[in-house]
Amino acid sequence: DAKTTQPPSMDCAEGRAANLPCNHSTISGNEYVYWYRQIHSQGPQYIIHGLKNNETNEMASLIITEDRKSSTLILPHATLRDTAVYYCIAFMDSNYQLIWGAGTKLIIKP
Amino acid sequence: DTGVSQNPRHKITKRGQNVTFRCDPISEHNRLYWYRQTLGQGPEFLTYFQNEAQLEKSRLLSDRFSAERPKGSFSTLEIQRTEQGDSAVYLCASSLARGQGGSPLHFGNGTRLTVT
Repeated sequence: DAKTTQPPSMDCAEGRAANLPCNHSTISGNEYVYWYRQIHSQGPQYIIHGLKNNETNEMASLIITEDRKSSTLILPHATLRDTAVYYCIAFMDSNYQLIWGAGTKLIIKP
Repeated sequence: DTGVSQNPRHKITKRGQNVTFRCDPISEHNRLYWYRQTLGQGPEFLTYFQNEAQLEKSRLLSDRFSAERPKGSFSTLEIQRTEQGDSAVYLCASSLARGQGGSPLHFGNGTRLTVT
């Protein structure tokens, strides 16, 4: 699986859009980009994933660059409950393990 | 709640004792994974099942660890002769393998093991 690089921490004001970047310059053609988040004392929560096209669901939007070397997770209207560690992972179905980096600690400030 | 369920949530044991954890995956999911997480780190892969077959086991996993998934439903993870270094949160995840398209892993809230 390709390695990913994320900033260690970010702040965002409550009610604003939180944009979390991720670099995955060595991603292969059949690896998906997955985003998870982990709130203290809970298991990782799946947010969204995509291959080439931008994706949106009820939680977030995922923007993948055309060359697929980077992506951005967008939380459109951040709330205090979005404070968590966010992980970006490159993964393909034929593999069996997700390789986790250190993630980005996102702090939403009132 | 039809998510992944793990029991117990917390386990405190003395060094040298055996412990067993249980995971109940999402019912239609055919893949089941065990991960381990220590403070400040991302989860670390331990082992993986497709239905009842254990297809992969991390090289980092000592032979004191064993996992089973009888009948391809729930799974158990046993640690024999526990050591203080085994203290961690043990996470279970499940997914539905598909021929095409991404298959997200869905995680339980883990079992926190403390070895004294």
